[in-house]
Amino acid sequence: DTGVSQDPRHKITKRGQNVTFRCDPISEHNRLYWYRQTLGQGPEFLTYFQNEAQLEKSRLLSDRFSAERPKGSFSTLEIQRTEQGDSAMYLCASSLASTVSNTGELFFGEGSRLTVL
Amino acid sequence: GNSVTQMEGPVTLSEEAFLTINCTYTATGYPSLFWYVQYPGEGLQLLLKATKADDKGSNKGFEATYRKETTSFHLEKGSVQVSDSAVYFCALRPNTGTASKLTFGTGTRLQVTL
Repeated sequence: DTGVSQDPRHKITKRGQNVTFRCDPISEHNRLYWYRQTLGQGPEFLTYFQNEAQLEKSRLLSDRFSAERPKGSFSTLEIQRTEQGDSAMYLCASSLASTVSNTGELFFGEGSRLTVL
Repeated sequence: GNSVTQMEGPVTLSEEAFLTINCTYTATGYPSLFWYVQYPGEGLQLLLKATKADDKGSNKGFEATYRKETTSFHLEKGSVQVSDSAVYFCALRPNTGTASKLTFGTGTRLQVTL
C-alpha cells in the first residue's frame, strides 16, 4: 500500500515531555500538510510544505511546535514541553500540485493520536 | 473568516432509507466544496467535490450540489447501506492561492442499521 503513513499511531506522554510524529506522504506528492483534530471537531489546518519549503503556518502552531520536511519527502512534527491541551489527533495529508491541475484533493493518513497526562 | 456548519449527529437510519446531511458555509468569493468520509479505523478520504456554483459532485451513490444562493452543499443518498456507516465532513477550500488549506465542519456521524 502506498498511501500516507504516520508513526506512531498512538503516543501517551506526561506533561512537559517532548514528542515527535513522522509522516511519509505518497511518494510523488510534492505538498504535505499537517492538521489537528480534537474530539468532536473537524480537522484544523496547522502548516504545509511544498517540497522542503514550509510555506504557511497557522496561528494554532505555537512556538512549541516545529515541523520539518528536510528532503522534501517525509516530515516530522515535534511538540516540545507538551501540555494537556495538546491532546489531539495529528493528521498528515499530501497532494500533488501542478500548474496544470489542482483538484484540491488531500490524501490523509490515519493520524497519530497524542494523549498528554 | 471561512467557516463550515453541518448538522450535528449522530444520524441513525435504517438500511435503504434516504439520507440528507446539511452543510452550509461562509466564505468570500467562490470556494471549492468537498465532502470527506472517515470510515472506522481509517483516514479521511475524499467522497465528492464541486468547484463552482451549480456543480453537482457525485460518487458511490452520494450527491451534493453547490448552491451559491443558499451557501449550501447538502449531502444526499437515496438508499443507504450498513457499509455507509462513517463520519462525514463537509469542507471548503478558498479560491485564493493553490494550497489545500481546508476548513472543515465538525463532522456528522451516520449509523445505518439493518
